[in-house]
Amino acid sequence: QKEVEQNSGPLSVPEGAIASLNCTYSDRVSQSFFWYRQYSGKSPELIMSIYSNGDKEDGRFTAQLNKASQYVSLLIRDSQPSDSATYLCAVEAVTGRRALTFGSGTRLQVQP
Amino acid sequence: DTGVSQDPRHKITKRGQNVTFRCDPISEHNRLYWYRQTLGQGPEFLTYFQNEAQLEKSRLLSDRFSAERPKGSFSTLEIQRTEQGDSAMYLCASSMTGSTDTQYFGPGTRLTVL
Repeated sequence: QKEVEQNSGPLSVPEGAIASLNCTYSDRVSQSFFWYRQYSGKSPELIMSIYSNGDKEDGRFTAQLNKASQYVSLLIRDSQPSDSATYLCAVEAVTGRRALTFGSGTRLQVQP
Repeated sequence: DTGVSQDPRHKITKRGQNVTFRCDPISEHNRLYWYRQTLGQGPEFLTYFQNEAQLEKSRLLSDRFSAERPKGSFSTLEIQRTEQGDSAMYLCASSMTGSTDTQYFGPGTRLTVL
């Protein structure tokens, strides 16, 4: 079992719709969770971070965390073609260990 | 704040050659990380420095790989006797000690081993 799992996609949504991206992780003691966006050929760009159970909103993006279910998600409202990219879920797996463990990413396609 | 920079951006080398990459972190960041990313995968952690001390190394970091951060500022990653399997994007990230310790990535160095 991979430590951080994501559906590889592609997830295709029409412009203006809500895109929902999901991630599960295996290590129960994980403390910090991050969503990165990566355009083809580019490096990961931080979108959101979340540390506590519940929702965290930043503009069109909402991150949701449920530690009991070991589940983190990213919602993108009013999706735009420029949101088309691969979204990487990253987990700081063990307290005090700084390495991030990444999922393989979900490719999102927003259709105009 | 000019962000994390990496040099070179692209490197093509022949199998068996040595290569060295450089990373300059965000100026006030004391932590520096190296990751490797292959096509279709997420980044994989290689090593991490806090100031000049190398505090973590992944099992992925074979004895052909060495990283340094001699003055706690820029870092270098050297790969000796390159193999075709070393072809990947090598990413550097930096962060500042604190409660969130968010990592910001540089543009990466794409290595192709022929």
